[in-house]
Amino acid sequence: SAVISQKPSRDICQRGTSLTIQCQVDSQVTMMFWYRQQPGQSLTLIATANQGSEATYESGFVIDKFPISRPNLTFSTLTVSNMSPEDSSIYLCSISDGYNQPQHFGDGTRLSIL
Amino acid sequence: QKEVEQNSGPLSVPEGAIASLNCTYSDRGSQSFFWYRQYSGKSPELIMSIYSNGDKEDGRFTAQLNKASQYVSLLIRDSQPSDSATYLCAVCVSGGSYIPTFGRGTSLIVHP
Repeated sequence: SAVISQKPSRDICQRGTSLTIQCQVDSQVTMMFWYRQQPGQSLTLIATANQGSEATYESGFVIDKFPISRPNLTFSTLTVSNMSPEDSSIYLCSISDGYNQPQHFGDGTRLSIL
Repeated sequence: QKEVEQNSGPLSVPEGAIASLNCTYSDRGSQSFFWYRQYSGKSPELIMSIYSNGDKEDGRFTAQLNKASQYVSLLIRDSQPSDSATYLCAVCVSGGSYIPTFGRGTSLIVHP
């Protein structure tokens, strides 16, 4: 299966700053996604990263706060903008095996906001 | 809203016992079912996929699907302390999707 590399693995950031998380896959994939997992919670989908077009955001997530890029079929970035302590979470990128197929996750980025 | 329900636990079992993890889902037409294992501080890892009624075995893991009763289970035989983790159930709803609906997960503790 594809290898998904995500970086940074963790970061501690100051309130009001922004952080860009990178996700690199070792093969071309059609579908890439970004999730957030808050402490003790399950996965919450932020958006689907679409190659060559704007990401598709889920309810409660907006482009100004979580801009996403997908320049090609192997790479995507998620930026967490103007961070507040409520953004402290694990951010995960994932890829899909296909329609009605499972997703596979990168190692995640553990983000803490002071 | 399509829902996937899991008991949050923790489920505590002794080493060597069978751990039984359960998941129910609300969408009767759901088509694909997955179990993920997530160690503390790590990302979810796919351990089982099941698509049709019945049992599917892979090593010490058995997934059981009952579409009529709308539940899917994961059995872990000969549980080991290394199996201690949170287990997430995920379901692709009727009509199909690239995006499964995830449950909140069940914490499993296997004690020596």
